[in-house]
Amino acid sequence: ELKVEQNPLFLSMQEGKNYTIYCNYSTTSDRLYWYRQDPGKSLESLFVLLSNGAVKQEGRLMASLDTKARLSTLHITAAVHDLSATYFCAVTPFSGNEKLTFGTGTRLTIIP
Amino acid sequence: DVKVTQSSRYLVKRTGEKVFLECVQDMDHENMFWYRQDPGLGLRLIYFSYDVKMKEKGDIPEGYSVSREKKERFSLILESASTNQTSMYLCASSFSVTTPSRSYNEQFFGPGTRLTVL
Repeated sequence: ELKVEQNPLFLSMQEGKNYTIYCNYSTTSDRLYWYRQDPGKSLESLFVLLSNGAVKQEGRLMASLDTKARLSTLHITAAVHDLSATYFCAVTPFSGNEKLTFGTGTRLTIIP
Repeated sequence: DVKVTQSSRYLVKRTGEKVFLECVQDMDHENMFWYRQDPGLGLRLIYFSYDVKMKEKGDIPEGYSVSREKKERFSLILESASTNQTSMYLCASSFSVTTPSRSYNEQFFGPGTRLTVL
């Protein structure tokens, strides 16, 4: 059974600081997705990572994938209040099944 | 823009009632999914469908059924609602994207239905 773990579950950080959210998964996969969810809203796709060493960047967010370590990171640079949200990673097993297994999410709060 | 809509944002039902949650997507996606989201548990897959009249169980199908009579519409049915089915329900759809090296399916989510069962 595929398990996806995120840490930390809660993160409170000051504006201007850098931090990283970690996503570990338990089985072989080469497709990993990051989503953002604002309070009371649905999930919005942020990044799709498709190979070992893949790196994607959008604004102050950068995601990377290490399939050998079964680890993805979401790095936040010089955080701003607008980035406050819950971030989820999700993994598709290598078998080709398109089911996503989600992590429990990281609730990020940016403090002025 | 991909649009996934759900029939209700908020719904309150009584224990034992039959509940229908409707999801419609306007992008001709093959795949549709139903999840429930609970605090501390993330999103859990209830059922999904790869084609019309086709369905497969997800990780937590007990107490639920689904129907997909048309490609754009995927319904989640609670045959006899119970209080432990109080949750946020999210529908998603996806299509296959093919790149030179591989293919993938990016899921697009609806706004969610917050269901309360009393």
